[in-house]
Amino acid sequence: SQKIEQNSEALNIQEGKTATLTCNYTNYSPAYLQWYRQDPGRGPVFLLLIRENEKEKRKERLKVTFDTTLKQSLFHITASQPADSATYLCARDDKIIFGKGTRLHILP
Amino acid sequence: KAGVTQTPRYLIKTRGQQVTLSCSPISGHRSVSWYQQTPGQGLQFLFEYFSETQRNKGNFPGRFSGRQFSNSRSEMNVSTLELGDSALYLCASSPTGGGRSYNEQFFGPGTRLTVL
Repeated sequence: SQKIEQNSEALNIQEGKTATLTCNYTNYSPAYLQWYRQDPGRGPVFLLLIRENEKEKRKERLKVTFDTTLKQSLFHITASQPADSATYLCARDDKIIFGKGTRLHILP
Repeated sequence: KAGVTQTPRYLIKTRGQQVTLSCSPISGHRSVSWYQQTPGQGLQFLFEYFSETQRNKGNFPGRFSGRQFSNSRSEMNVSTLELGDSALYLCASSPTGGGRSYNEQFFGPGTRLTVL
């Protein structure tokens, strides 16, 4: 079946370090992937979109990569801050399939 | 521009009842999608409406239905509620949405439904 998998359910990172989250897809070739942030009790908020022909995309402290050979996208937050603590979701291009998310905790 | 609004924000129902949730998309957005979010299953796609037509449907039983009005507002209905329907129901709008269009989705705050 077609899946989006985010390997880590939860991730603890020390403040100031780079957090790296993983999104893997199977049995599908997305034209692009999207990353969202979700805070408790709120709806997801769009962060970045990366197309299949883009190797890397950046937005401020955020960086996303897309490797069609590995069928994987990596989401990086550099110089992480406690305010970055949230759940991060990866979504397929048709917005039908989302990963279950990774709960990121930035430890002060 | 106002964001996506959902009403009510919280709802408590008992098994067997039915419920209607409402979503008002961002002005000018024609696509509205609905999702169910639970701790165990994550975010699961229910259906998408575009210009009053259901364009896509997820793998949910027929008890879950929806509709979209000419002003793009959307409602979803769940009949004969079951305990397992307890979840956060999220609606998202996008300008055109659908398929692999390069549109981000804007999510509402959700309706927290509890079935007792």
